[in-house]
Amino acid sequence: QVQLVQSGAEVKKPGASVKVSCKASGYTFTGYYIHWVRQAPGQGLEWMGWINPYSGGTNYAQKFQGSVTMTRDTSISTAYMELNSLRSDDTAVYYCARDLLEAVEVYVFAYWGQGTLVTVSS
Amino acid sequence: EIVLTQSPATLSLSPGERATLSCRASQSVYSYLAWYQQKPGQAPRLLIYDASNRATGIPARFSGSGSGTDFTLTISSLEPEDFAVYYCQQRSNWPPPITFGQGTRLEIK
Repeated sequence: QVQLVQSGAEVKKPGASVKVSCKASGYTFTGYYIHWVRQAPGQGLEWMGWINPYSGGTNYAQKFQGSVTMTRDTSISTAYMELNSLRSDDTAVYYCARDLLEAVEVYVFAYWGQGTLVTVSS
Repeated sequence: EIVLTQSPATLSLSPGERATLSCRASQSVYSYLAWYQQKPGQAPRLLIYDASNRATGIPARFSGSGSGTDFTLTISSLEPEDFAVYYCQQRSNWPPPITFGQGTRLEIK
């Protein structure tokens, strides 16, 4: 079965960086786009961008361009999301999610990781 | 940016009743609309994509309809496990390509 397992909670100071991992299993990692979506406490969902695990290509939401970097390591079927210059309003649960269809980005989030809480506080 | 407005914000119903949730887009998203269910402390779960297609493993009591700017998620007969927050999400070519509605909380009456 498809599983996405994310790294554990993080506490960071303003201005620091955080890197969250998302380990995939149960399918061909390089076959499906991985998206990152975040959710601030008590708030809705916000799409951050995707990575194509096959090529390493990325597409970031305009809001996050310059502050987010998405990478992958195909040898261990893991995607990463690094967010720089953290601010208090970056405090959120960060989710990775696998796209629905193989080899194309259709922006339908069929499988989700369990989420990683990132707290930014001085 | 395409804005999705969900209504009502909160819906109070009893198990066995029919639930009708609405999602309205600020401009046409064709049929590129999905619905997700989120329970407290859990990740969202895909229910419906492309307006009316049930995702794998989703019970038949969940159905979606609509196109253009007006969409509906219907739960035909509520089960206790259906009480949660529901989000709609559009995928279009306009930047950003992805936006979510603000959610509808379905609570037990």
